[in-house]
Amino acid sequence: AQSVTQPDIHITVSEGASLELRCNYSYGATPYLFWYVQSPGQGLQLLLKYFSGDTLVQGIKGFEAEFKRSQSSFNLRKPSVHWSDAAEYFCAVDPSSNTGKLIFGQGTTLQVKP
Amino acid sequence: GAGVSQSPRYKVAKRGQDVALRCDPISGHVSLFWYQQALGQGPEFLTYFQNEAQLDKSGLPSDRFFAERPEGSVSTLKIQRTQQEDSAVYLCASSLRTPNIQYFGAGTRLSVL
Repeated sequence: AQSVTQPDIHITVSEGASLELRCNYSYGATPYLFWYVQSPGQGLQLLLKYFSGDTLVQGIKGFEAEFKRSQSSFNLRKPSVHWSDAAEYFCAVDPSSNTGKLIFGQGTTLQVKP
Repeated sequence: GAGVSQSPRYKVAKRGQDVALRCDPISGHVSLFWYQQALGQGPEFLTYFQNEAQLDKSGLPSDRFFAERPEGSVSTLKIQRTQQEDSAVYLCASSLRTPNIQYFGAGTRLSVL
C-alpha cells in the first residue's frame, strides 16, 4: 500500500547535538516531498520542500533534507539542535504531484535535553 | 488576514449534535484543503477545493461530513450527528495554486462527549 513512514515515534537529543529524522515513502514515481513542524496548539509550519533538481534542500531554522531516490527516503537533518526545536515533525508526500493532496507520516516527537 | 484563520479554536459537542467549522484562507489562494488529525497521528486528507469547486472528497469518512466553499473563499466543514470518533483536530490549509506550498491554520479541536 502507498504510505509514508516515519520509523521513530519519539527522539531525544541533547542541545547542540546533531539531529536526523527519518522518512520513507512507498510510491512509484518521485512525489513532491515536504517536512512540516508542529508546536503544541499550533498549525503546521513548512520547513522545506523538494519538487525536483538538487537533492539536498535547505529550509528554515537551519534544517536541511536529502532526497535519495534509491532508498525512497527524505531524511531531515540539523547539525546543532536548539531547545526551541522541540516539537512534532511530519514528513508529507504529494504522490500525484498535481493535486496538492498531502499524505502525512505519523510524526516524530523531538525532545531536547538541556 | 496574513494567515489561514480557523474558528472556533475549540468546540465541545454532545454526541448527536451538528457542528460547523469555519476556515478563512489566505486572500487570493485558489486551493483549500481540509485535514483531520487524530491524537498522536499525522493529518489525514478529507477534501479539496479549487475555487468553489470541490474536486476531491475521497477522504470524508462518512456522509455525515459535508464541506462547502460557495464563493471560492471561506469554507465550512459541517459534521452532522457527531460521534465520539469524530473527536480530532480539524486543520484547514490553502495554497496559491496546485501543486504548491500549503499554509495551515492552527486548527479546530473538536471534542465529542
